[in-house]
Amino acid sequence: QVQLQQWGAGLLKPSETLSLTCAVYGGSLSGDYGTWIRQFPGKGLEWIGEISHSGITKYNPSLKSRVTISVDMSRNQFSLRLSSVTAADTAVYYCARYDFPYMDVWGKGTTVTVSS
Amino acid sequence: DLVLTQTPLSSPVTLGQPASISCTSSQSLVHSDGNTYLSWLQQRPGQPPRLLIYKISSRFSGVPDRFSGSGAGTDFTLTISRVDPEDVGVYYCMQATQFPYSFGQGTRLEIK
Repeated sequence: QVQLQQWGAGLLKPSETLSLTCAVYGGSLSGDYGTWIRQFPGKGLEWIGEISHSGITKYNPSLKSRVTISVDMSRNQFSLRLSSVTAADTAVYYCARYDFPYMDVWGKGTTVTVSS
Repeated sequence: DLVLTQTPLSSPVTLGQPASISCTSSQSLVHSDGNTYLSWLQQRPGQPPRLLIYKISSRFSGVPDRFSGSGAGTDFTLTISRVDPEDVGVYYCMQATQFPYSFGQGTRLEIK
């Protein structure tokens, strides 16, 4: 059974860079997409972006200038970097597997707080 | 961007009774390949979202058959035929027809 384990810094100061990694266990990203989604304190969900096993990315235009998603197939991991964070980026960040046509496996989530 | 609007935002229901949640899209969700990539997710307290339904009406593996999805074009519905205590949580519709993918604002299901 495929599981996603995610980790990264949970407390950031404004202007710093958010960095999270998601590892795939019990399966491979080959043929699937690694996806990042965040959930704001008011519970709304926002799709951040996705990456294919070959490194093709799609980003939400609202974040495109600040976001980078990368993949390391040798480690079966994909990562998220979000630069110049502000308090508005405070959220729970989830990684998920998009096994077309659905997101069937989700990580447990990482709470990221941006505060000076 | 494509906007999904859910109604109601909160739904108090009696155990054993049916419940339904609507999701309306600002644009048709029919993809150029002819499929409609509308999913329903359930989020129990303290847990990540969990896939229930995909492509409008296909039930994901392990999902009880009391959950069903219907609709077409811009209007979709999630129906729970008989609400069980474990169904308490927030339900989201999500579209993967058009980038950026997007979610409804969520409907909180609670027991009366």
